[in-house]
Amino acid sequence: ETGVTQTPRHLVMGMTNKKSLKCEQHLGHNAMYWYKQSAKKPLELMFVYNFKEQTENNSVPSRFSPECPNSSHLFLHLHTLQPEDSALYLCASSQDRSLAYNEQFFGPGTRLTVL
Amino acid sequence: GENVEQHPSTLSVQEGDSAVIKCTYSDSASNYFPWYKQELGKRPQLIIDIRSNVGEKKDQRIAVTLNKTAKHFSLHITETQPEDSAVYFCAAGNTPLVFGKGTRLSVIA
Repeated sequence: ETGVTQTPRHLVMGMTNKKSLKCEQHLGHNAMYWYKQSAKKPLELMFVYNFKEQTENNSVPSRFSPECPNSSHLFLHLHTLQPEDSALYLCASSQDRSLAYNEQFFGPGTRLTVL
Repeated sequence: GENVEQHPSTLSVQEGDSAVIKCTYSDSASNYFPWYKQELGKRPQLIIDIRSNVGEKKDQRIAVTLNKTAKHFSLHITETQPEDSAVYFCAAGNTPLVFGKGTRLSVIA
């Protein structure tokens, strides 16, 4: 599959569960992003990785833990989430975070529901 | 940091009419202003962007204008069609981008 893919597409979890979201990009990009999209705060940036190094952490609670093993893969590890964490989690990639004109390509998202 | 305000939050137009969505930003150093379209249940996709050294850009029925002095930019859609119905997001910044809260556009046939 081309572009940016995300798995799973839907996830229901309890507050005590541990789960992981996966993102993969097939565009040869070096920057990857996690966004949270909810009704209250559309497209809220969570984390940015550039060349596998985390460059942004937008005051995200520690129950969200990102991992970027290489420039093509990005994970978001989830544990002890709250119902208010239910949202669409979008992954995106771009050529290089440091470039001035940096089109971002989005994945289809994971719809997360926390019970 | 950058702050982006987007208006209106919802917009309904008759098919064939024009639609205008406006955004303001706060950081004068921002030099890239993309617009994304998100259809229901789908991912956001870039539809047009403009760089700070350009005042206007057009692509068929879509145009974007930028006023750096006033720190605002706008999306113009002419001859709207039902398939233009979606949520539109503006963004501003260098890296990373800061997004507006979105405008839900409904085109009524």
